[in-house]
Amino acid sequence: QVQMQESGPGLVKPSETLALTCTVSGGSMSFYHWSWVRQPPNKGLEWIGYISNSGSTDSNPSLKSRVTISVDTSKNQFSLRLNSMTASDTAVYYCARFNSALRIFDYWGQGTLVTVSS
Amino acid sequence: SYELTQPPSVSVSPGQTARFTCSGDKLGDKYTCWYQQKPGQSPVLVIFQDNKRPSGIPERFSGSNSGNTATLTITGTQAMDEADYYCQAWDRTTAVFGGGTKLTVL
Repeated sequence: QVQMQESGPGLVKPSETLALTCTVSGGSMSFYHWSWVRQPPNKGLEWIGYISNSGSTDSNPSLKSRVTISVDTSKNQFSLRLNSMTASDTAVYYCARFNSALRIFDYWGQGTLVTVSS
Repeated sequence: SYELTQPPSVSVSPGQTARFTCSGDKLGDKYTCWYQQKPGQSPVLVIFQDNKRPSGIPERFSGSNSGNTATLTITGTQAMDEADYYCQAWDRTTAVFGGGTKLTVL
């Protein structure tokens, strides 16, 4: 059974860069894509982006200029960096496995709340 | 940018049928997924490719998609189905989620 766990700071200052890591266990990272989705408090889901098993990335046009997604398969981890954080970036950040054949997010982490505040 | 529109809430009594709509331009030309999210939990995929159920999802969950509207149906709604439901589709290479519909089981 695939399990995913986000880690990173719960508090980020405005203008700083958010760095989150997702650790994957129970399965190989080699055959899937890996994604980030966020959810502001009491609001809906927003796709941030994904990294493929070949290292190519794609991201939401609304965030593209601020997003970097990377993967380290030797550690079974992938990461998100989101720069120039503002209060509107306060959200629960989820990592998720993206099954590119079916184009579905089939496994999700439990999420981590990131608050942007000075 | 592509948008998916969902009504904010649906209420049904236990045992009744709950229907959730998701509207988008020519949505029927795309595959739609549905995710269930209970309070404090991560989303769970309940329908993919319009009408397919992942392993472990009860048969009372079904889906359809035609024209500009995709529909998730729960037949014989149970109290445990109370949750937020999000539709999701792909606009070329961008994943788009609807705003979500809160299901209340009265």
